[in-house]
Amino acid sequence: GAGVSQSPSNKVTEKGKDVELRCDPISGHTALYWYRQSLGQGLEFLIYFQGNSAPDKSGLPSDRFSAERTGGSVSTLTIQRTQQEDSAVYLCASSSTPVGELFFGEGSRLTVL
Amino acid sequence: AQKITQTQPGMFVQEKEAVTLDCTYDTSDPSYGLFWYKQPSSGEMIFLIYQGSYDQQNATEGRYSLNFQKARKSANLVISASQLGDSAMYFCAMRERGTSYGKLTFGQGTILTVHP
Repeated sequence: GAGVSQSPSNKVTEKGKDVELRCDPISGHTALYWYRQSLGQGLEFLIYFQGNSAPDKSGLPSDRFSAERTGGSVSTLTIQRTQQEDSAVYLCASSSTPVGELFFGEGSRLTVL
Repeated sequence: AQKITQTQPGMFVQEKEAVTLDCTYDTSDPSYGLFWYKQPSSGEMIFLIYQGSYDQQNATEGRYSLNFQKARKSANLVISASQLGDSAMYFCAMRERGTSYGKLTFGQGTILTVHP
């Protein structure tokens, strides 16, 4: 597809379970970002990947959160032992330039019961 | 210190009038980009307008213009001739060049409500 694709669009899980969220960026975009948005709040940076460089993990809230990017394309955000406070929309974005526009996916809404 | 500050949690405007949404930023990087995104209730992030730190002219995109005052570190969004469909959350954001591709840092947002 032409845009950033995220799956699943909705995920409901029980507290303590692990979840994986997937992001497929725009083809050719070397930079990929994960953000989290809690209800009615702004966007919180989590992690970003740029080419073959080490990812910037400075926004990950705890060691239960991890992400990888395979082959410089698809990325997976993993949340282990989910907690209720992890409930949010997780947005992925990609970019082809250092300071230009980020293109966002439609997000994955995570609900932890 | 906050990198992006949006001081207006909510704004109201009458249909067909203009409205200004405020944004100030803080950076010591000479190369940066400033953005405005719109987020309607559907949740998607819609890019509106971009201003580069070296751009001499204020950016314009249709009914959107960015009032860029570099010395004041201000990047206000002006929406002319407001429409009911403009009701949404608006985010100001910044990317700093640094040594690599910059992450986008967002303000807390302003909820705009357009009245008929």
